[in-house]
Amino acid sequence: QKEVEQNSGPLSVPEGAIASLNCTYSDRGSQSFFWYRQYSGKSPELIMSIYSNGDKEDGRFTAQLNKASQYVSLLIRDSQPSDSATYLCAVYLSGSARQLTFGSGTQLTVLP
Amino acid sequence: GAVVSQHPSRVICKSGTSVKIECRSLDFQATTMFWYRQFPKQSLMLMATSNEGSKATYEQGVEKDKFLINHASLTLSTLTVTSAHPEDSSFYICSARDRLGYEQYFGPGTRLTVT
Repeated sequence: QKEVEQNSGPLSVPEGAIASLNCTYSDRGSQSFFWYRQYSGKSPELIMSIYSNGDKEDGRFTAQLNKASQYVSLLIRDSQPSDSATYLCAVYLSGSARQLTFGSGTQLTVLP
Repeated sequence: GAVVSQHPSRVICKSGTSVKIECRSLDFQATTMFWYRQFPKQSLMLMATSNEGSKATYEQGVEKDKFLINHASLTLSTLTVTSAHPEDSSFYICSARDRLGYEQYFGPGTRLTVT
């Protein structure tokens, strides 16, 4: 089992819809969770961090964390074509010496 | 968010030469810096972690004599690819974090092509 797992996609949604991106992790002791966006040919950009159970909202983005289920998700409301990118889930696994473990990424395409 | 810069953004060099890539944290002190490599359509691969003033810790399979990392100050880390070969052609990305932070910020990356 991979330590951080994401559906590789591709995920396609129509413009204006909600895009839902999911990530599961294997280490129950993990405490810090991040979502990065990576456009093709560019480096990753941090868009959300979440540390506590529940929802965290920032503009059109909402991160959801459920530590009991070892599940973190990212919702993108009112999706725009400019949201088309690969979304990387990243986790500090316990005992990792604060080294991020990345999922393989989910490729999102927002269709105009 | 914090800003990390990289230079150069793109470099082409001949096989057998060395290339140095600089990574700078512009508005925070980066006690820890990370170097990643990414091949087309593949995941990020961590190459090494460096703490300011200490020797870098390399991931398994990464040749420390080929990929020289120096983190001499709290705002600058360098990666030198020595005796580069075409198979070293890749997208090299640095990342930085401060002493208290959990968030890790990436530089824009350096695309290396070895001919």
